[in-house]
Amino acid sequence: NAGVTQTPKFRVLKTGQSMTLLCAQDMNHEYMYWYRQDPGMGLRLIHYSVGEGTTAKGEVPDGYNVSRLKKQNFLLGLESAAPSQTSVYFCATGRGYLEKLFFGSGTQLSVL
Amino acid sequence: KQEVTQIPAALSVPEGENLVLNCSFTDSAIYNLQWFRQDPGKGLTSLLLIQSSQREQTSGRLNASLDKSSGRSTLYIAASQPGDSATYLCAVKVDNYGQNFVFGPGTRLSVLP
Repeated sequence: NAGVTQTPKFRVLKTGQSMTLLCAQDMNHEYMYWYRQDPGMGLRLIHYSVGEGTTAKGEVPDGYNVSRLKKQNFLLGLESAAPSQTSVYFCATGRGYLEKLFFGSGTQLSVL
Repeated sequence: KQEVTQIPAALSVPEGENLVLNCSFTDSAIYNLQWFRQDPGKGLTSLLLIQSSQREQTSGRLNASLDKSSGRSTLYIAASQPGDSATYLCAVKVDNYGQNFVFGPGTRLSVLP
């Protein structure tokens, strides 16, 4: 029972490159979220999903896209990376909208 | 816009002390409040969840209280241990279907042996 697994753990990109971050959960949770954590800014919501096939924008969605084709996976894509997207990215899941959040261990992304 | 603050930003205490971490939020219209622990280089672990209709929750040496009307929550840690050293964050759920939580900046706790 792995919980919430994020891959990769570390990545370095050059400006303009693209990449996909994968979040996989084995808890059968409906709700999944992508956050970024920056010093002095705290955790901010990028996109979220309330079930398979659904996605919605959060507080800071620009420059990111997401997909939830399978209930257990939530993908975060950067089409053309920018230095401003250097951050630690966290995936989180929840059983319901009033339930606890469960976080993955994070992806450290650097864009040069 | 909801804003969440946590005081102090950092705290250092000797082992065995009881301590209180504070969380304040500007808008009392919240659905629930969670306290999290974050170890360096790791994700967040949910410690306690208090629904808006509740006043407190307890888990082991941890007790969290919620006063919605004053926009405050406290996390009480009894008999602190070096293993409690971490950053503690609070987050309030601010809308229903929108699913968003607003996080505080955290309090970095060091418990000295």
